Amino acid sequence: QLQLQESGPRLVKPSETLSLTCTVSGGSISSSTYFWVWIRQPPGKGLEWIGSISYSGSTYYSPSLKSRVTISVDTSKNQFSLKLRSVTAADTAVYFCARHTNFGPPNYIDYWGQGTLVTVSS
Amino acid sequence: EIVLTQSPGTLSLSPGERATLSCGASQSVSSSYLAWYQQKPGQAPRLLIYGASSRATGIPNRFSGSGSGTDFTLTISRLEPEDFAVYYCQQYGSSPGLITFGPGTKVDIK
Repeated sequence: QLQLQESGPRLVKPSETLSLTCTVSGGSISSSTYFWVWIRQPPGKGLEWIGSISYSGSTYYSPSLKSRVTISVDTSKNQFSLKLRSVTAADTAVYFCARHTNFGPPNYIDYWGQGTLVTVSS
Repeated sequence: EIVLTQSPGTLSLSPGERATLSCGASQSVSSSYLAWYQQKPGQAPRLLIYGASSRATGIPNRFSGSGSGTDFTLTISRLEPEDFAVYYCQQYGSSPGLITFGPGTKVDIK
């Protein structure tokens, strides 16, 4: 059974960089049939896609966040990571990592991490 | 960039009733890339429907999806107590790699 687990600081100061890592277990991240995805959800609000990465390092970012986001992959550790620069209180959210199929059509998100709340505050 | 809208924002129903949730797209969406998710408080979303109408593994057959083009529907034939949650539609690929979610419909107990 595939499992994804987010890790990283839960509190980040304004203007600093939010850094999270997703560790994948129960399966390999090194597959061309999947993208690895970051999604966030501000408290009480809906889901927002941040970006995706393939095992080979091809990246796709949300146009609204593209200027501040970097997603990377470490296949040796079966992990992928998120960096979001210059954060403000508006970046306070539950951050989810997930797996998105790429062998379709159809394509969809089939596995999610439990999510981690990151608060931006001084 | 395709924008997804969902209606209604909130649906108040009783157990046993039928729920009909709508997802609209600002441009035509390939049915192959339209999915529905259920999210309960404090939990990650769960895949319900993919390819607009295919149920994910383990999803009860009271959940069904339909639609094409710019109009998609998620139907819950008879609401069970565990179905009261927020439901999101999602599309993929309007631009390479782009994923978009709708704002969600909350189904709550009347």
